[in-house]
Amino acid sequence: EVQLVESGGGLVQPGGSLRLSCAASGFTFSSHWMSWVRQAPGKGLEWVANIKQDGSEKNYVGSVKGRFTISRDNAQTSLYLQMNSLTAEDTAVYYCARGVPLGYWGQGALVTVSS
Amino acid sequence: DIQMTQSPSSLSASVGDRVTITCRASQGIGNYLAWFQQKPGKAPKSLIYAASSLHSGVPSRFSGSGSGTDFTLTISSLQPEDFATYYCQQCNSYPLTFGGGTKVEIK
Repeated sequence: EVQLVESGGGLVQPGGSLRLSCAASGFTFSSHWMSWVRQAPGKGLEWVANIKQDGSEKNYVGSVKGRFTISRDNAQTSLYLQMNSLTAEDTAVYYCARGVPLGYWGQGALVTVSS
Repeated sequence: DIQMTQSPSSLSASVGDRVTITCRASQGIGNYLAWFQQKPGKAPKSLIYAASSLHSGVPSRFSGSGSGTDFTLTISSLQPEDFATYYCQQCNSYPLTFGGGTKVEIK
């Protein structure tokens, strides 16, 4: 069974940093693109970033370029999102998801940016 | 960026109704279109990829069609568990973009 479990969410002050993790199991992690998708409270879905199987290609939505970094550890079957210079507009539930197109989703991790 | 426009933004329907949701891309995306279902407080669930292919385990009452700029998601006979919000997403070019969502409510 494919499982994706996010962790690392929480409350952070504006300008602060946070690192999200996504632990993957039930499939060959190193064979799949992986993404982060977020959803602000009461809003729709927004794709944030993705990373190729070997980490050689990364893509980002414009609003996070230069602030967020996606990475992966295939040996640990884990996906990461390093988020810096956070603002209130980054407050959202962050989901990790497998594949392009997105096939399986985690349950999400809430990130709240507030003073 | 490719803009994805869904219509309607919400609809009311009864169990057993046939429901159609439309998604339009601001430029041609071939068949690089996926559909997702999301229930309140839950993660999205993948329904359809490549415009018309059903994701594993998705009931056959769901179907997708279209190519280029115009796409539809059809639920042939709405079931109680289908009341949810539906999103389309293009994966033809970066950034990958979602439609604004269609909320399907009970009439």
